[in-house]
Amino acid sequence: GAVVSQHPSWVICKSGTSVKIECRSLDFQATTMFWYRQFPKQSLMLMATSNEGSKATYEQGVEKDKFLINHASLTLSTLTVTSAHPEDSSFYICSAGGERSFDEQFFGPGTRLTVL
Amino acid sequence: KQEVTQIPAALSVPEGENLVLNCSFTDSAIYNLQWFRQDPGKGLTSLLLIQSSQREQTSGRLNASLDKSSGRSTLYIAASQPGDSATYLCAVSQAGTALIFGKGTTLSVSS
Repeated sequence: GAVVSQHPSWVICKSGTSVKIECRSLDFQATTMFWYRQFPKQSLMLMATSNEGSKATYEQGVEKDKFLINHASLTLSTLTVTSAHPEDSSFYICSAGGERSFDEQFFGPGTRLTVL
Repeated sequence: KQEVTQIPAALSVPEGENLVLNCSFTDSAIYNLQWFRQDPGKGLTSLLLIQSSQREQTSGRLNASLDKSSGRSTLYIAASQPGDSATYLCAVSQAGTALIFGKGTTLSVSS
C-alpha cells in the first residue's frame, strides 16, 4: 500500500507556543488529506479536510484560527496548532487517499502532542 | 448523520480461540468499510478494506464480512494469538470521503 509519513512523531511544547505537524504522501499524490484527533481511549475524530490549493474544510466545533491547515502541494499538508494549551494535548493523525471517494485511505503514524 | 458502533467495547480471550468483532453503521450508503488495528500509543494499521460491492475480504487469519443492506460488518479472527492484542477499529467511507470511525474493540489475548 501507499505510504504516508508524519513529522514529528512526538512533540512537547510550552503553553502558548505554536507547533507545526507535517503530513506527506511519499509515493502518490493526494489532492485531499484528512486530519484526525484522538484523545486517550477515544476513537479518531475528523478535524478537517485539507484540499490542495484551497482552504481547508473544518468540522463543527474545530477552531480554524487555532488549527491552521496548509495544503501547499500534492504531497504535503501541514497542521499548525497555534497558541497551544494543555487541552490541545492529543494524538494527531493524518490520512491521504486517491482521487476517488471509494479509494482506500492511508494513515500516517501519528504525532503525539503534549502541551505543558 | 452516519454513526458507527462497535460491540463489544472490550474482549478477553485465551490463546487459540476464534472470535468475532462486530461493527454496525446507521447509513447503508457507504463506499467502503475498513478494519484497522491500533496498538497502544501507535498509529493505525490497515487490516482489510471491503468495497461496498463486496461481501467479504480475507487476509491470513482475518476475515471481514460486509452486509451493506443491514449496516453490519464482522471481523473474524481465527486461532487468536497474544500478538493479536490491540484495539480494532471499524470505519466507513461515504460521499465526502473522510472516514467515520467506531470507538473500537480492545482485544486482549492471554497465553
